[in-house]
Amino acid sequence: GEDVEQSLFLSVREGDSSVINCTYTDSSSTYLYWYKQEPGAGLQLLTYIFSNMDMKQDQRLTVLLNKKDKHLSLRIADTQTGDSAIYFCAESKPADKLIFGTGTRLQVFP
Amino acid sequence: EAQVTQNPRYLITVTGKKLTVTCSQNMNHEYMSWYRQDPGLGLRQIYYSMNVEVTDKGDVPEGYKVSRKEKRNFPLILESPSPNQTSLYFCASSRSGTSEMTYEQYFGPGTRLTVT
Repeated sequence: GEDVEQSLFLSVREGDSSVINCTYTDSSSTYLYWYKQEPGAGLQLLTYIFSNMDMKQDQRLTVLLNKKDKHLSLRIADTQTGDSAIYFCAESKPADKLIFGTGTRLQVFP
Repeated sequence: EAQVTQNPRYLITVTGKKLTVTCSQNMNHEYMSWYRQDPGLGLRQIYYSMNVEVTDKGDVPEGYKVSRKEKRNFPLILESPSPNQTSLYFCASSRSGTSEMTYEQYFGPGTRLTVT
């Protein structure tokens, strides 16, 4: 099937690192994405990784891809209260289709 | 400003009363899509359109219709809404990709629909 799975909740203290995990199903997916949804808003693309890469770093964000295990993770360093949101991973499919995970709600407390 | 707009943002209606949610993008994107977001299920694709007059079913098309008469607009139509269509709906658009390249999807702000 086309299931992309994530844990539903993550709670971290401000200043700590957050790691959000995702498992996907299709090893042929070309791109894997992380989207952020803030309260009352649509989704915004946070970062993405091409399937031939193992890691991508973008300021406080680090994406790790383990193709063998079909596991994707997003690490946020020095997590801030403004990072509180729902994070979705998504895998690309032909015809521009995206398959989204269930979303992980990140709560950052002081 | 490049954006995807949806109207209305909030809608409460009754079972069986036809409604339309509009979606418009100003980025000249070929690809447009509708999703619904439900707790614990993430986003599921309802319908998508690769270009004008080209539409196709997504994963959960039952009870919905779409049209793509102009490039910028992609309305979602519920002919006879039912309570199980109570959800948060998102429209998205992007450039059309290839087998080697996909492009960022831009999302609208969402429409929260309640059907009683």
